[in-house]
Amino acid sequence: DTEVTQTPKHLVMGMTNKKSLKCEQHMGHRAMYWYKQKAKKPPELMFVYSYEKLSINESVPSRFSPECPNSSLLNLHLHALQPEDSALYLCASSQGTHNYGYTFGSGTRLTVV
Amino acid sequence: KNEVEQSPQNLTAQEGEFITINCSYSVGISALHWLQQHPGGGIVSLFMLSSGKKKHGRLIATINIQEKHSSLHITASHPRDSAVYICAVAKGGGADGLTFGKGTHLIIQP
Repeated sequence: DTEVTQTPKHLVMGMTNKKSLKCEQHMGHRAMYWYKQKAKKPPELMFVYSYEKLSINESVPSRFSPECPNSSLLNLHLHALQPEDSALYLCASSQGTHNYGYTFGSGTRLTVV
Repeated sequence: KNEVEQSPQNLTAQEGEFITINCSYSVGISALHWLQQHPGGGIVSLFMLSSGKKKHGRLIATINIQEKHSSLHITASHPRDSAVYICAVAKGGGADGLTFGKGTHLIIQP
């Protein structure tokens, strides 16, 4: 298995909803990442997990809450989002955080209404 | 000024043409990545470079560390090559994720 699988592919949620994005890989990669990408913009780093521990949080609002329950799974819990949070959320993984290739998921397109 | 600059931003070419996309960066890096993103959103990793040149099929990537410059070449371009090509760098040891350029939107016309 050489893929990063993200679910759901599309999500529409209200500003009072709580939802979660899921990312899974079975390549034995020990680093996992969440990126946010607005339309026609490059991806922006949100969180980095290394060996299941949060190593980087790029000043992301607390309405985004990451979780890494095990080495294969990465979640992003969403609560009280704003319409400006609508974006493509990309998950990626790599063998480690130092000079390894990346594998990206196909993303979850989130719309906040 | 962005740490990673790509040119051109948009490129339209005819099928069969030789394509070059350029990337310049202004920070110390441990590796440079070329990525491809199709309209659906998913990103595919094409190359990771720390020196020299790599080739995969019709794609060639080069990097000049001294000049802080990399190029992605596509030979015998095809409409299926139409996508956004993104240059991204791993700064320092690479523990900070990737820093992305703004991308080059490539359209290959039949």
